[in-house]
Amino acid sequence: KQEVTQIPAALSVPEGENLVLNCSFTDSAIYNLQWFRQDPGKGLTSLLLIQSSQREQTSGRLNASLDKSSGRSTLYIAASQPGDSATYLCAVNRNSGGSNYKLTFGKGTLLTVNP
Amino acid sequence: KAGVTQTPRYLIKTRGQQVTLSCSPISGHRSVSWYQQTPGQGLQFLFEYFSETQRNKGNFPGRFSGRQFSNSRSEMNVSTLELGDSALYLCASSLGRGRPLNEQFFGPGTRLTVL
Repeated sequence: KQEVTQIPAALSVPEGENLVLNCSFTDSAIYNLQWFRQDPGKGLTSLLLIQSSQREQTSGRLNASLDKSSGRSTLYIAASQPGDSATYLCAVNRNSGGSNYKLTFGKGTLLTVNP
Repeated sequence: KAGVTQTPRYLIKTRGQQVTLSCSPISGHRSVSWYQQTPGQGLQFLFEYFSETQRNKGNFPGRFSGRQFSNSRSEMNVSTLELGDSALYLCASSLGRGRPLNEQFFGPGTRLTVL
């Protein structure tokens, strides 16, 4: 059974700091990995999608890496801003029967960026 | 391009009642997945539909059911509501086939409260 762990559970940093969020998964037979952001009481916003054959993806100040063999992914946020404050969720997508579309989520990292 | 829409956004029900939630995917998307989010369990996969067929199902009791219509809109139904069914129910859509076009896009969710 796939398990996804995110460390730390909560993180508070001053504005402008670079930071790294960690995600680990127990079964390396994944199809892809997706990072999401969730604001309080809201739905999920997709940040980055990394296919199993890729090592990293970048979007603006965000960079996500994937090491499938060790079961790890990191999300790097450069020059953090108060608007980055949210819960960040990591989810792995594993083949499940005939469907590739079942995400297993971590519990998330609650990020607070202080002005 | 409109995103994933879910209705209603908020619901209050009492134990023993049943409820139906609706999800309209992004235009052109044929896969719809449903997730339950609670503070204790986090995000858990309920089921996924593609072309009106359920392709995958999570570990939820039979009280949770769903369906998909020919226009890809989906509904999920929960019968005989229990207090523990109080949660944010999220719907996600994706194209449903092909790589890398299986990125999942989430709606804002339906907040269900069972009293």
